[in-house]
Amino acid sequence: GAGVSQSPSNKVTEKGKDVELRCDPISGHTALYWYRQSLGQGLEFLIYFQGNSAPDKSGLPSDRFSAERTGGSVSTLTIQRTQQEDSAVYLCASSLTSPGAEQYFGPGTRLTVT
Amino acid sequence: ILNVEQSPQSLHVQEGDSTNFTCSFPSSNFYALHWYRWETAKSPEALFVMTLNGDEKKKGRISATLNTKEGYSYLYIKGSQPEDSATYLCAYLGGSQGNLIFGKGTKLSVKP
Repeated sequence: GAGVSQSPSNKVTEKGKDVELRCDPISGHTALYWYRQSLGQGLEFLIYFQGNSAPDKSGLPSDRFSAERTGGSVSTLTIQRTQQEDSAVYLCASSLTSPGAEQYFGPGTRLTVT
Repeated sequence: ILNVEQSPQSLHVQEGDSTNFTCSFPSSNFYALHWYRWETAKSPEALFVMTLNGDEKKKGRISATLNTKEGYSYLYIKGSQPEDSATYLCAYLGGSQGNLIFGKGTKLSVKP
């Protein structure tokens, strides 16, 4: 079946602009996660959605970052007023249930802020 | 701050060599330990999810062990092949409702 998909695969934007990154999880997966990997760093947790529960936003680095998940499926990560330090690969993952279950990752969106 | 450490940072081996790397994590409030393989230009792919102290898991030539009391896991690759070249990530989960904390990974290069 179809895996996790993300769009766009690459995004170059000017500092100060807003960007939206999209994630389509595997159908039936109730949990959805956003991570990012900056140059030389490990995968950094950003936000986690589980079913209809309030999302765990504890990893969002600033109030310029927000995410929503519509209808328990597609998710959009929005970064407002982008800064150069936002340049990273943004990965989305989904899992059948809780974080204890193995996560299936999308191919990522490479964001470059110039 | 919870820390997950992986060593070595990178490893270069010859085809046919066996190798292993380490993941260290907090021993308190342990719930699960994940291993992922991340090949260049691909998505991270789950290898193992381990939950019990003393767990040993195997998939082909790759195996992993888990010691939750001392907070470490080993990943072993027997008879490395060039297609094993990838970054191997471990991730710790403390509590069933927490989020995964990833290490920075071990980058393995296998020369033919």
